[in-house]
Amino acid sequence: EVQLVESGGGLVQPGGSLRLSCAASGFTFRSYAMSWVRLAPGKGLEWVSGISGSAGTTYYADSVKGRFTISRDSSKNTLYLQMNSLRAEDTAVYYCAAKQPDSSAPFDYWGQGTLVTVSS
Amino acid sequence: SYVLTQPPSVSVAPGKTARITCGGNNIGSKSVHWYQQKPGQAPVLVIYYDSDRPSGIPERFSGSNSGNTATLTISRVGAGDEADYYCQVWDSSSDHPWVFGGGTKLTVL
Repeated sequence: EVQLVESGGGLVQPGGSLRLSCAASGFTFRSYAMSWVRLAPGKGLEWVSGISGSAGTTYYADSVKGRFTISRDSSKNTLYLQMNSLRAEDTAVYYCAAKQPDSSAPFDYWGQGTLVTVSS
Repeated sequence: SYVLTQPPSVSVAPGKTARITCGGNNIGSKSVHWYQQKPGQAPVLVIYYDSDRPSGIPERFSGSNSGNTATLTISRVGAGDEADYYCQVWDSSSDHPWVFGGGTKLTVL
């Protein structure tokens, strides 16, 4: 059974940092590209960041570029998102999602999400 | 960057057919995927590559894509179909290439 389990969310002050993790199991992690997608209160899904299976290529939405860093550790089957200089507008549930290596492939698997709240 | 436009809401009576559109410039040349998300739950893929259904998704869900509009069709709608629906594409011309539509709230009357 495929499982993606996010952790690391919580309450953080504006300007603070947080590191999210996503533990994967039930599929060949290194063969899948991974992404982080968020759902802010009252908003729609927003793709945040992506990384290739080999970790050779990373992608970022303009809204987080320069502040967030995506990485993966295939030895631990884990995806990460380092979030710095957090803003109130980063408040959202963050989901990790897995997709086949083909760039146009859909996001097949999703975690249940972890809530990040940025507030003083 | 590429923009996908969805109606904020669609309402349909039980047993009828719901159609949710996703507009984009020449979207017919791209592969469109559709996700269903219920409150407090993770998104679920319901249609991929315009019109394919993952295993476990009822045949009532179908998709089409042509010109500037992709459409998700849900026939014989039931209360369990009430959810937010999002279209998504990959934009090869962008360095932030995965794009979601704004989402459509499907209400079953």
